[in-house]
Amino acid sequence: ETVLTQSPGTLSLSPGERATLSCRASQSVTNVYLAWYQQKPGRAPRLVIFDTSRRATGIPDRFSGSGSGTDFTLTISRLEPEDSAVYYCQQFETSPLTFGGGTKVQIK
Amino acid sequence: QVQLVQSGAEVKMPGASVMVSCKVSGYAFTGFYIHWIRQAPGQGLEWVGWMNPNTGGTNYAQEFEGRVTMTRDTSISTAYMDLSRLTSDDTAVYYCARAFGRSSPDYWGQGTLVTVSS
Repeated sequence: ETVLTQSPGTLSLSPGERATLSCRASQSVTNVYLAWYQQKPGRAPRLVIFDTSRRATGIPDRFSGSGSGTDFTLTISRLEPEDSAVYYCQQFETSPLTFGGGTKVQIK
Repeated sequence: QVQLVQSGAEVKMPGASVMVSCKVSGYAFTGFYIHWIRQAPGQGLEWVGWMNPNTGGTNYAQEFEGRVTMTRDTSISTAYMDLSRLTSDDTAVYYCARAFGRSSPDYWGQGTLVTVSS
């Protein structure tokens, strides 16, 4: 099983600041099999980034993804209040499909 | 527009079974896999398995093997997840989500809360 470790656990930033979220895999993940999701309280997860760096439909360009091998990053360049959520990385190269533990982004 | 609409909340006794449905619209049901993912209260996301609605083929997470069954009724574009021998650890919100082949699930259902309690 590929274990995904996300850091930090919580990120508390002000509007307009840059958020950098990390996802480290226990074994190499091919880029096309790494995704990021945003989840707000009481809501289903929403796909933000797929194939490591491609934005999903309707996702603003302040969201970007990068990385390769075992280290991946989600960057939110200029935080907006509506970006407050938990963000999960996910891999689906190997079964079982696994998620990281999540990073909570709080807007001050 | 693409929609996945799940059945309502359930309360079950330990040892019982639960079936959750996921009715899709706005796209070709047999063209996308259906994944089931759960989230215990205050916890992260846990993958349960996937089903190919075209063939009926399935792939379950090992920890659910023998307890979970995923099926579908293509005539009404609905997928089902049946989970048996419930314990309190199965209390969670269960989501269905579609994925095109080996790709990230993109559209998700609204979730179904399953509570297991005596």
